[in-house]
Amino acid sequence: GQNIDQPTEMTATEGAIVQINCTYQTSGFNGLFWYQQHAGEAPTFLSYNVLDGLEEKGRFSSFLSRSKGYSYLLLKELQMKDSASYLCAVRVNAGNNRKLIWGLGTSLAVNP
Amino acid sequence: NAGVMQNPRHLVRRRGQEARLRCSPMKGHSHVYWYRQLPEEGLKFMVYLQKENIIDESGMPKERFSAEFPKEGPSILRIQQVVRGDSAAYFCASSPDKRPNYGYTFGSGTRLTVV
Repeated sequence: GQNIDQPTEMTATEGAIVQINCTYQTSGFNGLFWYQQHAGEAPTFLSYNVLDGLEEKGRFSSFLSRSKGYSYLLLKELQMKDSASYLCAVRVNAGNNRKLIWGLGTSLAVNP
Repeated sequence: NAGVMQNPRHLVRRRGQEARLRCSPMKGHSHVYWYRQLPEEGLKFMVYLQKENIIDESGMPKERFSAEFPKEGPSILRIQQVVRGDSAAYFCASSPDKRPNYGYTFGSGTRLTVV
């Protein structure tokens, strides 16, 4: 089957660094996405990894190890507005198409 | 660019009524995906459509649910004879092709409440 695991909740302090992990067991891996979702709002795209290594984009970085089925999202210089749910999603083959399999999300609370 | 537009934002239906959820993809996007989100279950894929074609409906319940994406107009997710268990947030996402490398753009969702 397809399975994606991430911690349910995390807490961090404003200005600090936090790492949100995601492990996956899927078939036909074709890339891993991270999305941010504030309560009551739509998910918004943060990052995409298809090759091993680190992708940096401002305060956010995402890492992928395909051999380990592992990714993490790194958030630096945390701000209060970073309090949100962070969703890990893996794109897998589905017949002639591809679809996203989603984790349940990690709810991050940033405290002053 | 107005982004992915979904309406209504909130929808209340009595058990047994029909719910129609609309999604207009971003300009230039011809691929539409519908997802359902429940608090304890995360985002669940429902259906993937292109103009006038259903490409993958493996996530759609076999009964009462249908989706279309006509040549003209928005994509419609239709739920007939709604039940309490259909209460959820329904998100639509669009992409310019079937293998987007830069993510899907989501609409703001429709929150369906069945009373």
